Amino acid sequence: QQQVKQSPQSLIVQKGGISIINCAYENTAFDYFPWYQQFPGKGPALLIAIRPDVSEKKEGRFTISFNKSAKQFSLHIMDSQPGDSATYFCAASGSFGNEKLTFGTGTRLTIIP
Amino acid sequence: NAGVTQTPKFQVLKTGQSMTLQCAQDMNHNSMYWYRQDPGMGLRLIYYSASEGTTDKGEVPNGYNVSRLNKREFSLRLESAAPSQTSVYFCASLNGGDPSGNTIYFGEGSWLTVV
Repeated sequence: QQQVKQSPQSLIVQKGGISIINCAYENTAFDYFPWYQQFPGKGPALLIAIRPDVSEKKEGRFTISFNKSAKQFSLHIMDSQPGDSATYFCAASGSFGNEKLTFGTGTRLTIIP
Repeated sequence: NAGVTQTPKFQVLKTGQSMTLQCAQDMNHNSMYWYRQDPGMGLRLIYYSASEGTTDKGEVPNGYNVSRLNKREFSLRLESAAPSQTSVYFCASLNGGDPSGNTIYFGEGSWLTVV
């Protein structure tokens, strides 16, 4: 039972372009939506996160857009750079006391020159 | 500034052998987790421990056991390894109770091959 669906599985974007990764969730009790970035041979690391009281959060070139009614959220990487090439995971969790993260299946992003 | 440390980094096992993956965190976190990562499957939760002395099954617990030795350490044991357990294993810990969000910190992974 996959509660967080992520797409696409892989993505190739030209340097300077916009990378967009989408996720959809089913459980309406989820109220915390982080994105994790993983480089080869390393563990995932928190990139950016959002709570459903806002529709957008921006940190540098990374933006999360959140649509509560559609139960969807997405990661936008502006001006994509070769150093952004990594695997990205969306995730979701509930409130305090129910803090297990449920992860999407991951998107392998490749930025080409 | 170690964060989450897991050992070993690489291991090859024969079918039926047993082994324990060790994990320790130095961030005074209450919650600790073991995930496995397989191609196309994302990160799947094996077991977790919400606090010292408690453990609970996650999404894929079969074939594994865990021990929360103390607040710092959370080990994962394979009693009789099977080829289906070939995977990358990640230990993680959580700073639960933070109003800004539930940031989970991962170790660098343990690559396990069962032949």
